[in-house]
Amino acid sequence: NAGVTQTPKFQVLKTGQSMTLQCAQDMNHEYMSWYRQDPGMGLRLIHYSVGAGITDQGEVPNGYNVSRSTTEDFPLRLLSAAPSQTSVYFCASSPRILAGRAADTQYFGPGTRLTVL
Amino acid sequence: GENVEQHPSTLSVQEGDSAVIKCTYSDSASNYFPWYKQELGKRPQLIIDIRSNVGEKKDQRIAVTLNKTAKHFSLHITETQPEDSAVYFCAASLSNFGNEKLTFGTGTRLTIIP
Repeated sequence: NAGVTQTPKFQVLKTGQSMTLQCAQDMNHEYMSWYRQDPGMGLRLIHYSVGAGITDQGEVPNGYNVSRSTTEDFPLRLLSAAPSQTSVYFCASSPRILAGRAADTQYFGPGTRLTVL
Repeated sequence: GENVEQHPSTLSVQEGDSAVIKCTYSDSASNYFPWYKQELGKRPQLIIDIRSNVGEKKDQRIAVTLNKTAKHFSLHITETQPEDSAVYFCAASLSNFGNEKLTFGTGTRLTIIP
């Protein structure tokens, strides 16, 4: 059971380039999310998904796209990288939350450190 | 949307003393409050959480208290040890479906002085 995995661990891009950050989980979790972490700003939600085929925007979605074709995978696409997207990106997953039930633990991946020049 | 404020941003305590980190949230509908610990270069890891129907929860040297009326919750670490040095984040979840939109505080860097 690998948990939540992310690739790559490090990436350097030039302004205007596009790329996809990969995230996968093998825990059959329905909920998955992407955060970015910047110094002094904590973790901010970019996009999230409550199940295959369903995605929604978080706090800072501009410049990023997501899709959820399978339960296991939740890739994050940078369409045209900008220096402001230099950050550490974390993917997280948690079990399905049933209506009216309490929340559950989010499990984080190891992160991807992205630098945009 | 939800807004979570966390204080202090840095905290230094002598080994063996207690540390307290406080967070406030804005939306009274929030119902789930986890605390994460992040060591340098590592991923955030859940250390304790509390739900809105509980006022206090304890796990060995770590405890969390929740005051729904005042909309604040706190992390208490007793008998601190060097391995407690890390950045700690509080968070609050707004949705009835749980943690769909987890809003984080800005973090507290805790340093334990030997």
